[in-house]
Amino acid sequence: AQSVTQPDIHITVSEGASLELRCNYSYGATPYLFWYVQSPGQGLQLLLKYFSGDTLVQGIKGFEAEFKRSQSSFNLRKPSVHWSDAAEYFCALFTGGFKTIFGAGTRLFVKA
Amino acid sequence: DSGVTQTPKHLITATGQRVTLRCSPRSGDLSVYWYQQSLDQGLQFLIQYYNGEERAKGNILERFSAQQFPDLHSELNLSSLELGDSALYFCASSPAGTSGMGEQFFGPGTRLTVL
Repeated sequence: AQSVTQPDIHITVSEGASLELRCNYSYGATPYLFWYVQSPGQGLQLLLKYFSGDTLVQGIKGFEAEFKRSQSSFNLRKPSVHWSDAAEYFCALFTGGFKTIFGAGTRLFVKA
Repeated sequence: DSGVTQTPKHLITATGQRVTLRCSPRSGDLSVYWYQQSLDQGLQFLIQYYNGEERAKGNILERFSAQQFPDLHSELNLSSLELGDSALYFCASSPAGTSGMGEQFFGPGTRLTVL
């Protein structure tokens, strides 16, 4: 079965601290993976994508993600979180049937 | 600004009514996707069109239908509305070709409230 799991419904980090958001996927072929961010009242914005090649991908706003095939994971990281990073983050898997499966999302809270 | 536009921004209507949501994709994008986002269901893929043809179908109810017109804009029609249809409806578009595979640009959404 094809699925995306984001185990953490919400995470709170202090401003300036590092961040890691977890994403696990289930897919029988090479995955196309994405991270999107949604600020309150806004649409989703693409942060980064993985198609193939280097397992560490860089995105916008200082985010990066590491693809680990052995763990079926695509975790999102940021070395130092800013208050403006508070938002909801979605991991997504693009399948061969032209469908995109989104995880349930992780809401990030940033405390001063 | 993603370049994807959606109208209207807000819509309030009554149960049993029918509404039409409109989406204009980014210039040059051939694919249009529709999603429903609600608190209890999360982000659910409804349907995708590619250059006027239906390409993929997700959890779209029979009361809902969509189409993509020759100018590539798309409309999502929701009929016999129920309270549970209250949600944010997003449209997204993506570039043609494998380089854009799966990468989607989202519009700001239409918030539908059914009373």
